[in-house]
Amino acid sequence: SQQGEEDPQALSIQEGENATMNCSYKTSINNLQWYRQNSGRGLVHLILIRSNEREKHSGRLRVTLDTSKKSSSLLITASRAADTASYFCATDASNRIKAAGNKLTFGGGTRVLVKP
Amino acid sequence: AAGVIQSPRHLIKEKRETATLKCYPIPRHDTVYWYQQGPGQDPQFLISFYEKMQSDKGSIPDRFSAQQFSDYHSELNMSSLELGDSALYFCASSRETGGSLAKNIQYFGAGTRLSVL
Repeated sequence: SQQGEEDPQALSIQEGENATMNCSYKTSINNLQWYRQNSGRGLVHLILIRSNEREKHSGRLRVTLDTSKKSSSLLITASRAADTASYFCATDASNRIKAAGNKLTFGGGTRVLVKP
Repeated sequence: AAGVIQSPRHLIKEKRETATLKCYPIPRHDTVYWYQQGPGQDPQFLISFYEKMQSDKGSIPDRFSAQQFSDYHSELNMSSLELGDSALYFCASSRETGGSLAKNIQYFGAGTRLSVL
């Protein structure tokens, strides 16, 4: 079953508005990452938040993490047409201590359309 | 800055044929990951390698094999291809040693789009 699930599945907003999407997961995690994917192209890393962090900012991005609810949110402020993409959360839930090469488990993705 | 290089970008094969996908990680990255993304699906983890040894394994079919070479590049070999293998195959790399603040961040290539006819 999916480790992460995203909500909403699709979002349509006007340029300048904020976009918020949520991600839920099922097991304990080491970290949670957000990625952006333009249609049929590669995934671009946006931000990583560790399990002991609650909030993180990067430019117009704000990520929160609530480990008690096993959920995260990504907020994009002052959206631009270039933000149109699918956004995925991905969790590193490995229980392997000091291991490398831990897999990421991706959520369902939120398709964001920013209209000019 | 150098990114993850995947080749080929597109590949068309017939059923039961074989395919080899190549991945060149970012310089000084020691870990390589392979993911499969079907149409409209999430990326699914297949396998990863750290310092040329298999590190983690996901839902990789027995028909697929992979390895990481001494120069850290990786190849995904796929045999007896099936229609359901049609997908985008992503390689990602990360640097897991050296205490970098970027540790654990996986950087993805542009992907190889495999079509099995």
